[in-house]
Amino acid sequence: QVQLQQWGAGLLKPSETLSLTCAVYGGSFSGHYWSWIRQPPGKGLEWIGEINHSGSSNYNPSLKSRITISVDTSKNHFSLNLSSVTAADTAVYYCARGRGGAPVLYYWGQGTLVTVSS
Amino acid sequence: SSELTQDPAVSVALGQTVRITCQGDSLRNYYASWCQQKPGQAPILVIYGKNNRPSGIPDRFSGSSSGNTASLTITGAQAEDEADYYCNSRDGSGDHVLFGGGTKLTVL
Repeated sequence: QVQLQQWGAGLLKPSETLSLTCAVYGGSFSGHYWSWIRQPPGKGLEWIGEINHSGSSNYNPSLKSRITISVDTSKNHFSLNLSSVTAADTAVYYCARGRGGAPVLYYWGQGTLVTVSS
Repeated sequence: SSELTQDPAVSVALGQTVRITCQGDSLRNYYASWCQQKPGQAPILVIYGKNNRPSGIPDRFSGSSSGNTASLTITGAQAEDEADYYCNSRDGSGDHVLFGGGTKLTVL
């Protein structure tokens, strides 16, 4: 049974960097797509970006200049850094993992609410 | 194209069949996936690929596609199916993921 558990700071000030980590328990770590998605309060889902099993990353064009997604295979973790946050970045952030090498958002983390406020 | 369009809200009588649709040009080349999200919970995947259900998803959920429209069908809707449903797919370049705006399903 694959489970994703995520954590990170829940309250940030404007201009700070958001850092979230997602750990994977169960199943294999390698060979998958790893993604981050967010959901502002009361709104829909927004894809942030992904990194795949070959180490290649793709980012939402609207966020690309501020995002870094990385994978640490030694710890079975993957991470999101989003720099220069503003109140517009306030959202629940989810990590997700694909299955069988396909870019499908198959397994989801529990979500982390990140609030940006001065 | 860079958009997937869903109806904001759909309702269905208990036990009846409902179809939730998702439109976008990229759906001519890529399959849609469908996620279910209940209030205060993380989304869960219910349909992916041509018409695949993850383990544990009831077989009343099915997916189909025609042209630029993907559909999620719930045959015999149950009270517990009341939720928001989001489609997602790759964009035209294949390098990015698009989400539809979501459909709120009410089971009457």
